[in-house]
Amino acid sequence: GAVVSQHPSWVICKSGTSVKIECRSLDFQATTMFWYRQFPKQSLMLMATSNEGSKATYEQGVEKDKFLINHASLTLSTLTVTSAHPEDSSFYICSAEPGLAGFNTGELFFGEGSRLTVL
Amino acid sequence: AQTVTQSQPEMSVQEAETVTLSCTYDTSESDYYLFWYKQPPSRQMILVIRQEAYKQQNATENRFSVNFQKAAKSFSLKISDSQLGDAAMYFCAYGVYGGATNKLIFGTGTLLAVQP
Repeated sequence: GAVVSQHPSWVICKSGTSVKIECRSLDFQATTMFWYRQFPKQSLMLMATSNEGSKATYEQGVEKDKFLINHASLTLSTLTVTSAHPEDSSFYICSAEPGLAGFNTGELFFGEGSRLTVL
Repeated sequence: AQTVTQSQPEMSVQEAETVTLSCTYDTSESDYYLFWYKQPPSRQMILVIRQEAYKQQNATENRFSVNFQKAAKSFSLKISDSQLGDAAMYFCAYGVYGGATNKLIFGTGTLLAVQP
């Protein structure tokens, strides 16, 4: 199956610093990638939809200036947590669907996730 | 707004037995997808099974099958001949197709334990 890779898998940073998480589709192209946040023992909450060549679409309640998303190419999306604080500590997961026409096949592949700890 | 509900926070099954995980959803769309994903302790999300709403036939993947009741907006997962490796968190998810509403919405999850 298609492979989605996230980097780093875990990161620890000091409060007030910014952290960038990369999501790459290794063997397919994707115009759309999704970013989720998961707290311990809870479900995945969709944060935003990352669109190649355009601005991301954020879910209600997600701060656009806090969580910067850039979809630089058909194989790379990045999530930058700006001025991170302890409450931003969480597990962040990206997903992508093969194809150049958006969510049209139902095949969604997930990265391994990135655990962020803000001290 | 679309919602996905999993009413069983935890379930347990004996090895080799059958277990059914429940899922209901709410939507006004007529064309959509439904999924069951498995999340083991590694946290890697793994697709278990997928169902297109326009298909009346229930999807089956080896030991995994679904009971899709579109009118009732119900989508349960049956795991037959349960194995120790099936132990994980299972998420039901709803995906809507097309345009600006492309998204996947997850239920709260069911933690499945498999007893040897």
